[in-house]
Amino acid sequence: EVQLVESGGGLVQPGGSLRLSCAASGFTFSSYWMSWVRQAPGKGLEWVANIKQDGSEKYYVDSVKGRFTISRDNAKNSLYLQMNSLRAEDTAVYYCAVMVTSGGWFDPWGQGTLVTVSS
Amino acid sequence: SYVLTQPPSVSVAPGKTARITCGGNNIGSKSVHWYQQKPGQAPVLVIYYDSDRPSGIPERFSGSNSGNTATLTISRVEAGDEADYYCQVWDSSSDHRDVVFGGGTKLTVL
Repeated sequence: EVQLVESGGGLVQPGGSLRLSCAASGFTFSSYWMSWVRQAPGKGLEWVANIKQDGSEKYYVDSVKGRFTISRDNAKNSLYLQMNSLRAEDTAVYYCAVMVTSGGWFDPWGQGTLVTVSS
Repeated sequence: SYVLTQPPSVSVAPGKTARITCGGNNIGSKSVHWYQQKPGQAPVLVIYYDSDRPSGIPERFSGSNSGNTATLTISRVEAGDEADYYCQVWDSSSDHRDVVFGGGTKLTVL
């Protein structure tokens, strides 16, 4: 069974840092692009970042460039999101997802981890 | 950047057909994907490549894409179809490889 399990969310003060993790199982992790997508409370989905299979290409939404870093460890079947200089508007549920680049869709998704940025 | 526009809400009676639109400039030239999200749950892919269904998705779900509008059609709507639906495209040709989601449509089953 394909499974993605996020962890690392929590409450952090503005300006603080947090590192999210996503543990993958049930598929060949190293063969797929991976992504982070977030959803602010009561709002829609927003793509955050993508990373190529070998980590050689990374892409970010403009609002997180220079603050967030996506990375992966194929030996550990894990995806990460290092979030620095956090702002209130980064408050959201963060989902990791497999990105199928033959067409650019996301399937499957993890259950998400909540990040709350507040003083 | 590319913008996808969805109606905030659509209402339909059980057994009827629901159509959820996704508007974008020349969206017919792009591949459109659709997700269903129920409260408190992660999104689930229901349509990819405009009209293909992943395994496990009922045949009642179908999609089309032409001109400036893509459409998700749900036939014989059931109470369990009540959810938020999002369209999505990927601009693989751009330098930024942008991913864009529509704002989402809340489907209410009357």
